[in-house]
Amino acid sequence: GAVVSQHPSRVICKSGTSVKIECRSLDFQATTMFWYRQFPKKSLMLMATSNEGSKATYEQGVEKDKFLINHASLTLSTLTVTSAHPEDSSFYICSARGKTSGELFFGEGSRLTVL
Amino acid sequence: AQSVTQLDSHVSVSEGTPVLLRCNYSSSYSPSLFWYVQHPNKGLQLLLKYTSAATLVKGINGFEAEFKKSETSFHLTKPSAHMSDAAEYFCVVSDPSGNQFYFGTGTSLTVIP
Repeated sequence: GAVVSQHPSRVICKSGTSVKIECRSLDFQATTMFWYRQFPKKSLMLMATSNEGSKATYEQGVEKDKFLINHASLTLSTLTVTSAHPEDSSFYICSARGKTSGELFFGEGSRLTVL
Repeated sequence: AQSVTQLDSHVSVSEGTPVLLRCNYSSSYSPSLFWYVQHPNKGLQLLLKYTSAATLVKGINGFEAEFKKSETSFHLTKPSAHMSDAAEYFCVVSDPSGNQFYFGTGTSLTVIP
């Protein structure tokens, strides 16, 4: 199946700093990418949907100025957590949908810990 | 509107016995349905998908699921559980455009040696 690479897998940062997470589709062009947040033992919570070349669509309750999403190319989307606080600590997962395939391909996830 | 209900939050089976993870869906359209597996601190891996072809779908690692329109169900089964099957399983339905995906709350599968 298609491969989505997410980096970094784990990151620890100080409160007030910004962290960037990258999501790359390695062997297909991803017209649409999704960013999720997952709390312990919970399902995935959709944060935003990004389409290549356009602004991301954020879900209700997700601060777009705090969680900056950029989808500048068909193979790369980034999520930047700005001015991170301990409550932003979580597991963030990206997924990508190809032009022709109906399913989602997921990255390995990024564990963010804000001290 | 689409929605997914996973009827069991936890399922525990003995190694070598059958696995049944239940999923019911609600959809205004002919749905696309998926099962994903997530191991701890990992992303989600596609097990199988239904997209209006054969109602019995075979996936990876010996899993299969049957689409039953009359029961609005898409239960995941495996004849014989392995220890490596212990993980979280998510049933997912997508809208016709494929732009929105609705996740179930997940079922945690424990396999007892």
